Amino acid sequence: GENVEQHPSTLSVQEGDSAVIKCTYSDSASNYFPWYKQELGKRPQLIIDIRSNVGEKKDQRIAVTLNKTAKHFSLHITETQPEDSAVYFCAASIWGGSQGNLIFGKGTKLSVKP
Amino acid sequence: SQTIHQWPATLVQPVGSPLSLECTVEGTSNPNLYWYRQAAGRGLQLLFYSVGIGQISSEVPQNLSASRPQDRQFILSSKKLLLSDSGFYLCAWNTGSGYEQYFGPGTRLTVT
Repeated sequence: GENVEQHPSTLSVQEGDSAVIKCTYSDSASNYFPWYKQELGKRPQLIIDIRSNVGEKKDQRIAVTLNKTAKHFSLHITETQPEDSAVYFCAASIWGGSQGNLIFGKGTKLSVKP
Repeated sequence: SQTIHQWPATLVQPVGSPLSLECTVEGTSNPNLYWYRQAAGRGLQLLFYSVGIGQISSEVPQNLSASRPQDRQFILSSKKLLLSDSGFYLCAWNTGSGYEQYFGPGTRLTVT
């Protein structure tokens, strides 16, 4: 079955710097890759996702890139702000498949220092 | 628009007591429904998922069970809680595999 590895487990940056979180997946059939942000004590919130028919997607200060050949995808946050501090989870699944439950990475705790 | 509810928000239960957590979704029909558990500072563990009324799949063996008595209602139960059942229980839904999945507000369970 699918396995998703996420790195790093913790990441500390200065406000205004960029942050990059990387994930690799094992099942080449996976074609849907969402990212979730979870603030302390809250539910995970979907912040951006990408399907395998595109290589990059941007939404203001966040972007996700996908390399299908290498089977890895990354979350990029530019001009980080203290409110970006949270745990970020990547995930993978098969869009439209009969068994396409999201497989999550273990999470990255991002701390943005003012 | 769609909304997902969970209750209770917090719960403190003694070891050996029963458990019932409820999740309901509004604004959609025939959703896929999921129960996750998150231990403190840890990742998301999928416990159960359901693609329709009465259809439950279990991802891990444990003393928990799930039921889906109505299209938009998902219930997590236990007959006897263990200390290891403590955690943050999250319900989630989507309209199908590979579609956007949204989480409910969660229930924080402490077993004492």
